[in-house]
Amino acid sequence: QTVVTQEPSLTVSPGETVTLTCASSTGAVTSGYYPNWFQQKPGQVPRRLIYSTSNKHSWTPARFSGSLLGGKAALTLSGVQPEDEAEYYCLLFYSGVRVFGGGTKLTVL
Amino acid sequence: QVQLQESGPGLVKPSQTLSLTCTVSGVSISSGIYHWSWVRQPAGKGLEWIGRISTSGSTNYNPSLRSRITVSVDTSKNQFSLNLSSVTAADTAVYYCATEGSEAYWGQGILVTVSS
Repeated sequence: QTVVTQEPSLTVSPGETVTLTCASSTGAVTSGYYPNWFQQKPGQVPRRLIYSTSNKHSWTPARFSGSLLGGKAALTLSGVQPEDEAEYYCLLFYSGVRVFGGGTKLTVL
Repeated sequence: QVQLQESGPGLVKPSQTLSLTCTVSGVSISSGIYHWSWVRQPAGKGLEWIGRISTSGSTNYNPSLRSRITVSVDTSKNQFSLNLSSVTAADTAVYYCATEGSEAYWGQGILVTVSS
């Protein structure tokens, strides 16, 4: 069973930069896993921020960026805002099967 | 604007089959633009990918659920469906339907409780 691993929780101060990562039990994450990143706030439907490693939607704030970093997919928030406090999930593609990571709870204090 | 709406019973008895439908508006389900997916989320827990179907009818399923899942498409109604058999309390969750493609549209989700 493939496992996708994220940091369970991170705490950051407003204005700081934070990087969330997404690792695969099968080995290094490459662009061929088409990493997606979703944001979910309490009581809300998840919203995709990033797809295919680094592609943004029109609604994705500029401070969010996706990349590959050290064999993992990464989501970087540059200049964190209080409204970025949320759960973040990565999604990796394994041929036809997709697997979500366990999520990272980002706290902004 | 593309919209998805889940429907189905909110309560299912253990050992029975959970059946949900996702009604799509704003795009033809047979357009080939998207794949059509199901995702679930137990209360207080993370997202779990269930499976997906293409317009051609080809399917991919979560290996841990594969023996119990069927995802199908009804192009005449612009809907796709999820059947999950032999349910237990562990299948209690909010179930979302979603598109997969360059745009990711999600339904609002439907809470399904498995209980006698």
